[in-house]
Amino acid sequence: GAVVSQHPSWVICKSGTSVKIECRSLDFQATTMFWYRQFPKQSLMLMATSNEGSKATYEQGVEKDKFLINHASLTLSTLTVTSAHPEDSSFYICGGTGTGDTQYFGPGTRLTVL
Amino acid sequence: RKEVEQDPGPFNVPEGATVAFNCTYSNSASQSFFWYRQDCRKEPKLLMSVYSSGNEDGRFTAQLNRASQYISLLIRDSKLSDSATYLCVVGGGYNKLIFGAGTRLAVHP
Repeated sequence: GAVVSQHPSWVICKSGTSVKIECRSLDFQATTMFWYRQFPKQSLMLMATSNEGSKATYEQGVEKDKFLINHASLTLSTLTVTSAHPEDSSFYICGGTGTGDTQYFGPGTRLTVL
Repeated sequence: RKEVEQDPGPFNVPEGATVAFNCTYSNSASQSFFWYRQDCRKEPKLLMSVYSSGNEDGRFTAQLNRASQYISLLIRDSKLSDSATYLCVVGGGYNKLIFGAGTRLAVHP
């Protein structure tokens, strides 16, 4: 299958700081990127969908001004958690689709906000 | 009601056992169905797609019942390496995926 990388794999930050997570499709062009959040023992929850060059579409209840998504190229999407708080601590996973409908996932980023 | 519901388990089974997981979904218009496997602190990995005719991949068999909005996964001859969380996933349109909370499987010697 296709490869998606995420960076960083884990991050610890202080409350109030912003954290940027990168998601790259390494061997395919991801026309659509999806960002998910997973809390312990819960399912992956879709946060937003982004198409290259367009504004992201956020799911209900996800604050677009807090979770900034940029999908400037077909191989890179970024999620910035602004003014992070402890309740934002979670496992963030990106997924990408190319010309087909199979979604390939990055390895995830574990965010801990102190 | 959750869009995709699964029994959270855990299912604790000995090696060699056969185990079955069930899943129900709420949107009758759903068109695509999958089982993913997720290991602890890792990303989900596609195990298999699920088709109305049923499909098999080695020790894994998936079934879909559209009338009952029910999906199943059967694992035969369980291995220690099968220990993981199994996620029932339904396509939500526009390539979106809707994940169930997962069923934990622990296979012991």
